[in-house]
Amino acid sequence: AQTVTQSQPEMSVQEAETVTLSCTYDTSENNYYLFWYKQPPSRQMILVIRQEAYKQQNATENRFSVNFQKAAKSFSLKISDSQLGDTAMYFCAFMNSGQFYFGTGTSLTVIP
Amino acid sequence: ETGVTQTPRHLVMGMTNKKSLKCEQHLGHNAMYWYKQSAKKPLELMFVYSLEERVENNSVPSRFSPECPNSSHLFLHLHTLQPEDSALYLCASSQFLVAGGNEQFFGPGTRLTVL
Repeated sequence: AQTVTQSQPEMSVQEAETVTLSCTYDTSENNYYLFWYKQPPSRQMILVIRQEAYKQQNATENRFSVNFQKAAKSFSLKISDSQLGDTAMYFCAFMNSGQFYFGTGTSLTVIP
Repeated sequence: ETGVTQTPRHLVMGMTNKKSLKCEQHLGHNAMYWYKQSAKKPLELMFVYSLEERVENNSVPSRFSPECPNSSHLFLHLHTLQPEDSALYLCASSQFLVAGGNEQFFGPGTRLTVL
């Protein structure tokens, strides 16, 4: 079975600084997709960034980038120039054959 | 509203009540999902529908009964729930069930409290 582990339940970062959220997963599959979702307080969960396992290049979306290490089964999220609006729960997710597996989430607080 | 909507947003019910949660997606997607979100636990995938057919039932107790009358609507019927069923219930949709990197679009959730 696939599992997704987020070992940092809570993190904080100073506004404008950089923070990295960690995620590891366990799978025997070779083709899969990885996601980071953001759930702001009392708001809908939205996709932050997506990575295809067959791509070696790390995905980037503006201030958000990932460090995908397939051999290590690691998929960390880096947020640069943190903004107050980045305060949220962040969930790492693994997808294969239509099944999604989520981690327990990391609560990120951006401090003014 | 656009995207995925859920009603009601909050629900308090007794253990003997029967209620239903509703989800509607306005994205033309073919797959819909129910998740249970409890504090400090991973999102639990409960049910998956693809083209109105249930394709996944992850050992969910029978007191939860899903219904998908068409590709835009998804219901979760609740009866004789337990206090431990209190959680945020999220609905999501994706364009296809099995395809490359399908993004899931989530609704705002229904906060359920079982007394």
